[in-house]
Amino acid sequence: GAGVSQTPSNKVTEKGKYVELRCDPISGHTALYWYRQSLGQGPEFLIYFQGTGAADDSGLPNDRFFAVRPEGSVSTLKIQRTERGDSAVYLCASSSPTGQGNEQFFGPGTRLTVL
Amino acid sequence: GDSVTQMEGPVTLSEEAFLTINCTYTATGYPSLFWYVQYPGEGLQLLLKATKADDKGSNKGFEATYRKETTSFHLEKGSVQVSDSAVYFCALTRGSTLGRLYFGRGTQLTVWP
Repeated sequence: GAGVSQTPSNKVTEKGKYVELRCDPISGHTALYWYRQSLGQGPEFLIYFQGTGAADDSGLPNDRFFAVRPEGSVSTLKIQRTERGDSAVYLCASSSPTGQGNEQFFGPGTRLTVL
Repeated sequence: GDSVTQMEGPVTLSEEAFLTINCTYTATGYPSLFWYVQYPGEGLQLLLKATKADDKGSNKGFEATYRKETTSFHLEKGSVQVSDSAVYFCALTRGSTLGRLYFGRGTQLTVWP
């Protein structure tokens, strides 16, 4: 079956602009996660959805970041007034409630570059 | 708070050498522990996991044992191959329920023929 997909694979934008990053989880996975990975670092948690609701958004760095999952499947991460420090690879992952030990399946990521 | 500490890289080995990548953790309760691998140009993949103390996770010749007494989950392989060259991440999540992963910084492994 298809894995987690993310679009676009690359996004270049200018400082101050608005961007949207999309994630399509594995079919049937109710849990969806967003992480951010800076160069040379491990992924850093941003937000976790269980179904349509955000179960944990404690990792969002500030109110410029927002994410939605209106129908419990596809999710969009939205960044307003982008800053150069937002440049990173944004990773999406999904998991199944029946999976033991919370195995998360990751997408290929969206590389965001803010000029 | 919960965290993972991984040995600093990069690690460079010759083919067939023994590999150890150290990982220690700090967590409340009884976390589940994971090793993820990122091959060049590819996304993160789960390599192995262990969900309770003394469990051993294994896959592709790699092993790691969940040691609660030393709060460690060191990754080992008896004989590395060039194809094992990748970045390895240790991670934890709280218990066996759904929730965020806490990752270490990653260790770059390069294996020379």
